[in-house]
Amino acid sequence: SYALTQPPTVSVSPGRTASITCSGDNLEDKYVYWYQQKPGQSPVLVMSQDTKRPSGIPERFSGSNSGNTATLTISGTQPIDEADYYCQAWDSSTSVFGGGTKLTVL
Amino acid sequence: QVQLVESGGGVVQPGRSLRLSCEASGFTFSRNSLHWVRQAPGKGLQWVAVISYDGSNKYYTDSVKGRFTISRDISKNTLFLQMDSLRVDDTAVYYCARGGRSWNTEFDYWGQGTLVTVSS
Repeated sequence: SYALTQPPTVSVSPGRTASITCSGDNLEDKYVYWYQQKPGQSPVLVMSQDTKRPSGIPERFSGSNSGNTATLTISGTQPIDEADYYCQAWDSSTSVFGGGTKLTVL
Repeated sequence: QVQLVESGGGVVQPGRSLRLSCEASGFTFSRNSLHWVRQAPGKGLQWVAVISYDGSNKYYTDSVKGRFTISRDISKNTLFLQMDSLRVDDTAVYYCARGGRSWNTEFDYWGQGTLVTVSS
C-alpha cells in the first residue's frame, strides 16, 4: 500500500523559515494536501493541490511538490504556527496521510 | 458558514456496533463528497471512508472494509457511519470532513469529532 513519510519533528526559531517534507513514490504525480492541527482542535486545511492556499491561510505558508517529495514551507514562522502538520494524498480510491510532523517554534 | 457536528460516540464492547452521525449545515449537502477520518489517542490521522456527492460511490480503508458502512440522508443533511464488529484498535476520535465535488480531493471543513472507545 502507498505510504507517505514525514519527519516526526521539526524545530525553527521565530521569524525563520520552516520546511516540512512529505515523501512518497512518484509523489509529484499526485496532488498533496496539508493540514495543521493544534492540540485539542480539529485539523485545518492549509495547502491544497500542492501549492494553493485556501482562503484565510496566511501568505507565509507555501507548498511545492517535485519528484518524490512535497514540501510545506512556512516563512517568517510565528509562535502560533506551532502545531502538528499532516500531508495527505490519494492513491487510487484510498486516501493516505503522512505520520505527521510536530513543528516546534523556539 | 459550513458546520459539521458529529454525534454518537461512546464506550462500546469489542464485537458490538455503534452508529455515528454528522449533521451538516451551511452548504448544499448533495454537492460535496463527505468523509470520515479518525485519530487514535496520541496518534496521527487515518482516513476511513468516503461517499461521493451523488451517493453512487463509497470507498473504505482496508481495515474497516466489511465492518463499516458509510451512508447519508439528504433530507436530514446527515452523514452516517455504521460500525459493526468493533475492535479495540477502532478506538479513536472520529471526524467527519467535507470533500470536493470529486471524492478524491481535499478535506476543507472538519467537524469537532466524536470519541469512540472500544473496551471490555
